[in-house]
Amino acid sequence: DAMVIQNPRYQVTQFGKPVTLSCSQTLNHNVMYWYQQKSSQAPKLLFHYYDKDFNNEADTPDNFQSRRPNTSFCFLDIRSPGLGDTAMYLCATSRDPGRQAFFGQGTRLTVV
Amino acid sequence: TQLLEQSPQFLSIQEGENLTVYCNSSSVFSSLQWYRQEPGEGPVLLVTVVTGGEVKKLKRLTFQFGDARKDSSLHITAAQPGDTGLYLCAQAHGSGNTGKLIFGQGTTLQVKP
Repeated sequence: DAMVIQNPRYQVTQFGKPVTLSCSQTLNHNVMYWYQQKSSQAPKLLFHYYDKDFNNEADTPDNFQSRRPNTSFCFLDIRSPGLGDTAMYLCATSRDPGRQAFFGQGTRLTVV
Repeated sequence: TQLLEQSPQFLSIQEGENLTVYCNSSSVFSSLQWYRQEPGEGPVLLVTVVTGGEVKKLKRLTFQFGDARKDSSLHITAAQPGDTGLYLCAQAHGSGNTGKLIFGQGTTLQVKP
């Protein structure tokens, strides 16, 4: 059974039209990560939560926001997507910071 | 700041060949994780190495942690097409509740039948 679930699996959005990606977990892990992965590249950390404490990476564009209303759910909001935001977005959880990460299947976002 | 360097970035080999992938850092790892990612899926943990000089085996995969804990390698014996994927090393960075998991650049492996 999937423990980290991302929805939708595929999303096509228009340039500049806000989009929200969701992630849920059944592991009750403290840490939730959002990574951006472009074709044949490594996952790049956008931000992460320890419980409700939000940690933003210095080079994450302001266009990207996140919400974690409770332990189980986390959302990635892209306020005004650009063509360069086309990528796979991966959500992951971890019991503790830096420990083994459990990934969802990802949301493949295409901005047209 | 790129903390982890992986090499090679791309590798295309024939079925049955052996290969080694490297992960290096200028700083000491407390521990290192290796993941494999298949196309269209999220990465999945293969192994965590913790002790300098440690060697772990997972079927045809052998993972080694350098004595100084600044480098690690993944060796695959008799590669098969099912080994095709992106191999990533990852390191915990930072401390306390702000700690996070950072990935190396990855090695894309293609094994041809």
